[in-house]
Amino acid sequence: DGGITQSPKYLFRKEGQNVTLSCEQNLNHDAMYWYRQDPGQGLRLIYYSQIVNDFQKGDIAEGYSVSREKKESFPLTVTSAQKNPTAFYLCASSIRTGSREQYFGPGTRLTVT
Amino acid sequence: EDQVTQSPEALRLQEGESSSLNCSYTVSGLRGLFWYRQDPGKGPEFLFTLYSAGEEKEKERLKATLTKKESFLHITAPKPEDSATYLCAVTDSGNTPLVFGKGTRLSVIA
Repeated sequence: DGGITQSPKYLFRKEGQNVTLSCEQNLNHDAMYWYRQDPGQGLRLIYYSQIVNDFQKGDIAEGYSVSREKKESFPLTVTSAQKNPTAFYLCASSIRTGSREQYFGPGTRLTVT
Repeated sequence: EDQVTQSPEALRLQEGESSSLNCSYTVSGLRGLFWYRQDPGKGPEFLFTLYSAGEEKEKERLKATLTKKESFLHITAPKPEDSATYLCAVTDSGNTPLVFGKGTRLSVIA
């Protein structure tokens, strides 16, 4: 059963702590993406990766970091430098970047207090 | 810079009352326009890809159309289960990720 998994579904952290969100896909897709979604803001791109061991900053990369050591995995770390980390985080993948549809995971809701 | 504007922000329909959602875009060399459905607290679900002006695609009560400046998502005789946020996204001639609009929140009342 192919798809994208994100874990956990809900995550709670104290301010000042780093936290890592998991994203795994078994679709054999080359490209993977992280988005942040806030009410009324739509989807904003944090980072994306077109191939293993390579990634590019999106529109709101400050305070976030990623790695792409395996094709199947693209974890996102929300660092203590991110000023407003509470949000709904979505991971997606596609065969490649460009004119192909992206498929999304179920999302992780992060709450930092 | 690619831009996507969706209207209206919210739409409330009676069951069976057909309507259309709009997605207007500014992009240098459209390579694809995408429609997604998103339910509250879930990831967006892919619906359609349109590649060229004049193209149309249908799925159940949904029909997407594309012109050179905008796309419409027509909803025929909607049911309450069609209630969701509908997102539009575009990609240009470069090898870049999709750019999303803010979505239209559709409510269908029985």
